[in-house]
Amino acid sequence: QKEVEQNSGPLSVPEGAIASLNCTYSDRGSQSFFWYRQYSGKSPELIMFIYSNGDKEDGRFTAQLNKASQYVSLLIRDSQPSDSATYLCASERTDKLIFGTGTRLQVFP
Amino acid sequence: GAVVSQHPSWVICKSGTSVKIECRSLDFQATTMFWYRQFPKQSLMLMATSNEGSKATYEQGVEKDKFLINHASLTLSTLTVTSAHPEDSSFYICSAMQGRRYEQYFGPGTRLTVT
Repeated sequence: QKEVEQNSGPLSVPEGAIASLNCTYSDRGSQSFFWYRQYSGKSPELIMFIYSNGDKEDGRFTAQLNKASQYVSLLIRDSQPSDSATYLCASERTDKLIFGTGTRLQVFP
Repeated sequence: GAVVSQHPSWVICKSGTSVKIECRSLDFQATTMFWYRQFPKQSLMLMATSNEGSKATYEQGVEKDKFLINHASLTLSTLTVTSAHPEDSSFYICSAMQGRRYEQYFGPGTRLTVT
């Protein structure tokens, strides 16, 4: 079992819809979780991090954490074609990040 | 804030030569820097963790004699790929962590091609 698992996709959503990206993790000791966006040929950029159970909102992005279910999600509201990228979920373990393989999101006009 | 730079952004070298890649945190002091490698259509693979003033910690399977890491200051870490071979061709990305915060900020990456 991988430590951080994501569906590779692609997840296709129409412009203006809500994109829901999911991630599960295996280490119950992980306390911090991160979402990164990576455009093709570029390095990852941090979108959000979340430490506490519940929701955290930042603009069009909402991160959700459920530690009991070991589940993290990222919602993107009003999806735009410019949101088309690979989204990487990461959990923290002993001062380093463990990344999932990423979910490719395609937003079509 | 939290800007990380890398130099060069791309490099082509001949097999058997060495290549040095620099990673700098521009507006913060990075207690820890990380080096990743990413092959096409694959996820990030952590190569090593670098703390200022101490030896790097390499992940299992990464040759420490081939990938030399030096973290000379709180704003600079370097990765030297020694005796490069075509299979070392990849996208090398560094990241930096500020203090005890766990979020990492990535540099723009260096695309290495070994001919």
